[in-house]
Amino acid sequence: GDSVTQMEGPVTLSEEAFLTINCTYTATGYPSLFWYVQYPGEGLQLLLKATKADDKGSNKGFEATYRKETTSFHLEKGSVQVSDSAVYFCALSDPTGANNLFFGTGTRLTVIP
Amino acid sequence: DSGVTQTPKHLITATGQRVTLRCSPRSGDLSVYWYQQSLDQGLQFLIQYYNGEERAKGNILERFSAQQFPDLHSELNLSSLELGDSALYFCASSVVSGRGTEQFFGPGTRLTVL
Repeated sequence: GDSVTQMEGPVTLSEEAFLTINCTYTATGYPSLFWYVQYPGEGLQLLLKATKADDKGSNKGFEATYRKETTSFHLEKGSVQVSDSAVYFCALSDPTGANNLFFGTGTRLTVIP
Repeated sequence: DSGVTQTPKHLITATGQRVTLRCSPRSGDLSVYWYQQSLDQGLQFLIQYYNGEERAKGNILERFSAQQFPDLHSELNLSSLELGDSALYFCASSVVSGRGTEQFFGPGTRLTVL
């Protein structure tokens, strides 16, 4: 079945460090891929998305490229800030079209000053 | 603020009881999704409704049911509650149901079963 495997956390980085959170997926067909972020005590917010192979999603300095050949959608940011501390979820949407999301386990990021 | 509201914010109840969680989607959104977030299972899709009709079903237990009303708000009913049902329940909404459509999440209802 469809699934997402996400890098185990937690991840602790110093401010201005480079961030990579790995995400790989298994799906039949061609899913859309997403990164959602959950700040403490809040619901999930869409960070970025890509709907087809080689698409790059980007937002707030974060980027991820849909790599069909490696079935990956790794999240990167060149210089993290304390305000980026949150839990990050990789997700794919049901490729059959119903649009329900399959989530990874989440990666908790803590950025220290 | 995503525009999706969920009530109540917290719910504490006992095993064997029944509860109802309520979700109001963003204005204009026709599709509502329910997800469960627990420590052992992570974030799991439960069920989706589109304009009042059930659209997709995930790992939803038979003890759980949902519906979407004509005004598009949705309710998730959980019955014969067990300790393992303690979790954060999220509702999300989207304009349509198509592939890749962004979902907007509510703040969640935290259910504690004692």
